[in-house]
Amino acid sequence: NAGVTQTPKFQVLKTGQSMTLQCAQDMNHEYMSWYRQDPGMGLRLIHYSVGAGITDQGEVPNGYNVSRSTTEDFPLRLLSAAPSQTSVYFCASSYSMSQPQHFGDGTRLSIL
Amino acid sequence: ILNVEQSPQSLHVQEGDSTNFTCSFPSSNFYALHWYRWETAKSPEALFVMTLNGDEKKKGRISATLNTKEGYSYLYIKGSQPEDSATYLCASPGNYGGSQGNLIFGKGTKLSVKP
Repeated sequence: NAGVTQTPKFQVLKTGQSMTLQCAQDMNHEYMSWYRQDPGMGLRLIHYSVGAGITDQGEVPNGYNVSRSTTEDFPLRLLSAAPSQTSVYFCASSYSMSQPQHFGDGTRLSIL
Repeated sequence: ILNVEQSPQSLHVQEGDSTNFTCSFPSSNFYALHWYRWETAKSPEALFVMTLNGDEKKKGRISATLNTKEGYSYLYIKGSQPEDSATYLCASPGNYGGSQGNLIFGKGTKLSVKP
């Protein structure tokens, strides 16, 4: 099993550009989430999904879109990148909320 | 919205010291409490998931306890080693969007163990 795979690992964007961060898991997990990590802020929830076709907003959803067309994939889209979105992004998945979350290796994103 | 608090924010100990840190969470509608270990430049790794009041879990020198009635969990490290240096996160299911399908994390306790 590959677990949770995030691509790319690093990305530099210019303000106003759009891009998609990819996340895929091969563990047949229903629950998937996107977090951002900023200094002193810990992990903050952006969006999450409880199954294919179902997504919802977390603590900091503005400027991001998600979709969940399959159980395996949960891409995160930045619509118009802003410097405030410079961060490390983690995708995670789990079988349920009483089971541990498995994290991807993260995507380090810089917006110039 | 669920608020998960951790203390202290950081901790510096000598090799061989035993240490503990606290996670507090709202006790109403409790579902589960997670602990993760997060090394610098890596991704968080699960240590424990606890669901029952009075639960105690152990993995090597690391153990955790849970009190759901008063809303706290302790993480203990016995005989700290330099390789224990990491940020320790706790998390509990939140209710963003009206669903409990998401985890809310505390800001973590950063542990540094000096040889």
